[in-house]
Amino acid sequence: AQSVTQPDIHITVSEGASLELRCNYSYGATPYLFWYVQSPGQGLQLLLKYFSGDTLVQGIKGFEAEFKRSQSSFNLRKPSVHWSDAAEYFCAVGAAEYGNKLVFGAGTILRVKS
Amino acid sequence: EPEVTQTPSHQVTQMGQEVILRCVPISNHLYFYWYRQILGQKVEFLVSFYNNEISEKSEIFDDQFSVERPDGSNFTLKIRSTKLEDSAMYFCASTQGEHTEAFFGQGTRLTVV
Repeated sequence: AQSVTQPDIHITVSEGASLELRCNYSYGATPYLFWYVQSPGQGLQLLLKYFSGDTLVQGIKGFEAEFKRSQSSFNLRKPSVHWSDAAEYFCAVGAAEYGNKLVFGAGTILRVKS
Repeated sequence: EPEVTQTPSHQVTQMGQEVILRCVPISNHLYFYWYRQILGQKVEFLVSFYNNEISEKSEIFDDQFSVERPDGSNFTLKIRSTKLEDSAMYFCASTQGEHTEAFFGQGTRLTVV
């Protein structure tokens, strides 16, 4: 069965520090990969996506992610975190072989301390 | 920027009542979805809809659930007889093509009492 693991439930970083949120997936197919962000009371906003090509993808708000097929990972990074980045981050995976649905990770709550 | 809109943002209903959650997908999108997120749990796929029919549904999407696209703009999720365990945030999403990024609405928080 397809699954997505975000091993960190909570992460706290200082403002200005770098950030890496981990995502691992288990899929029997070539995946499409996404990161979404959810602020309290808000919907899911797409940060970035990977379908094919360059394995390092750039997204909005200064985020990037790298697809590593050998590690089944798609970790999200940001070189310098801002207080407004505090939110919950979800990794999601889809694949053509499994229709159009997305399978989500459990999410990582990011806290930013000043 | 085009967006997916959902109404209402919050609905409280009594157990056993029917509810209809409404969504307006992005206008040139062809594929529509419902997901739900029970408090503290993962976002879970419920159903996908294309060309006026369900293309895929999960185990959660039993006979108590139905979806409809009653006109050219709305996409609805109906729960016929709500249970306490239906309390969750329900997200509508749409995609332009078959394997493109999904855009999500703000969600409807359903509380069954």
